[in-house]
Amino acid sequence: GAGVSQSPSNKVTEKGKDVELRCDPISGHTALYWYRQSLGQGLEFLIYFQGNSAPDKSGLPSDRFSAERTGGSVSTLTIQRTQQEDSAVYLCASSSGAGASGNTIYFGEGSWLTVV
Amino acid sequence: QKEVEQDPGPLSVPEGAIVSLNCTYSNSAFQYFMWYRQYSRKGPELLMYTYSSGNKEDGRFTAQVDKSSKYISLFIRDSQPSDSATYLCAILGTSYGKLTFGQGTILTVHP
Repeated sequence: GAGVSQSPSNKVTEKGKDVELRCDPISGHTALYWYRQSLGQGLEFLIYFQGNSAPDKSGLPSDRFSAERTGGSVSTLTIQRTQQEDSAVYLCASSSGAGASGNTIYFGEGSWLTVV
Repeated sequence: QKEVEQDPGPLSVPEGAIVSLNCTYSNSAFQYFMWYRQYSRKGPELLMYTYSSGNKEDGRFTAQVDKSSKYISLFIRDSQPSDSATYLCAILGTSYGKLTFGQGTILTVHP
């Protein structure tokens, strides 16, 4: 596609429910990243994929968070048993290479999650 | 101590003003420095990146890096209302695109 596409754009869920957030990166981009942005905060790294593998998942805040990527393309971030502190914007990004130097990292518009 | 600290603002300036946005970082191994702009309810978009000390200009924007002081700045000349957004500094800390962001500065340019 033309840009990084994320769905849903908005999600309100009840505490304790599971949610799935989807990211469709720019076609051909091998690197994919998930970040989280809480109100008034900068972006917090969650996980990095190169192809279908995740060499760095150090930012996932707890074992309630998991992510996968299939076919070297679409990625899903799953949050189990959501808590109110999970309320944030979840941003996906992709790049054509490993992201260093001139490999620009492009962000989607985010999935706005509210846990009530 | 956070790896990247950004002056939180917010900043409110009149149209035509020069704006200065600043960040400091702690890890001298950082090599690449970026500035992202984020409009309300949008994803961040890359404005500029640089990998060396000194200045880099792009139109009304100048990115400045001082590695000896671990200090990075973004200057906006002749600011416009359309520049109103959140500006995020970001530093590439690994070879694979893991960015460490400052907390962002909200800028408002009023006509």
